[in-house]
Amino acid sequence: NAGVTQTPKFQVLKTGQSMTLQCAQDMNHNSMYWYRQDPGMGLRLIYYSASEGTTDKGEVPNGYNVSRLNKREFSLRLESAAPSQTSVYFCASSVQSLPVEKLFFGSGTQLSVL
Amino acid sequence: GENVEQHPSTLSVQEGDSAVIKCTYSDSASNYFPWYKQELGKRPQLIIDIRSNVGEKKDQRIAVTLNKTAKHFSLHITETQPEDSAVYFCAAIPTGGGNKLTFGTGTQLKVEL
Repeated sequence: NAGVTQTPKFQVLKTGQSMTLQCAQDMNHNSMYWYRQDPGMGLRLIYYSASEGTTDKGEVPNGYNVSRLNKREFSLRLESAAPSQTSVYFCASSVQSLPVEKLFFGSGTQLSVL
Repeated sequence: GENVEQHPSTLSVQEGDSAVIKCTYSDSASNYFPWYKQELGKRPQLIIDIRSNVGEKKDQRIAVTLNKTAKHFSLHITETQPEDSAVYFCAAIPTGGGNKLTFGTGTQLKVEL
């Protein structure tokens, strides 16, 4: 099993450009998450999907949209990138969301917005 | 919502010494407290977790203790080794947020030879 796979690993955008981060898991998990990691601020939840067909906002959802394409895939879209969105983005999955336990993380996407 | 504070932000120990990282949480109803380890350039990985009905849990050189009254929990690493060098994050689930984890800001642990 590959676990949680994210693409791309690195991306540089100009302010105003759009892009989609892709995430897929092969562990048959029900729940998937998108986090951002900034120095000194830990991991902050952007959006999550408790199960296929549902999505909900996390702590810092502004400027992002998500799609739970099917049980395996959960994408994160930046419609108009801003320098404040420069960060490392992690996708994660868990067997269930209530309660959430044992998050499995992808390898991360380093995003720079110039 | 839940607020998780983590201290210290950086910790340097000599190989073989013990390391202790502390977290406090604000929501007295929180009932699940995991710890994640993130090596440089790698993804966070769960290393140990504890539930509110347990006061202590051990796994080889790693232990976690929970004090519900004081609303704090700690990670203890004994006989530290260079491969323990990493960033460690604590987390908690807030009331009504069973499907969301709130993370602490992380502790950079450096084990020196």
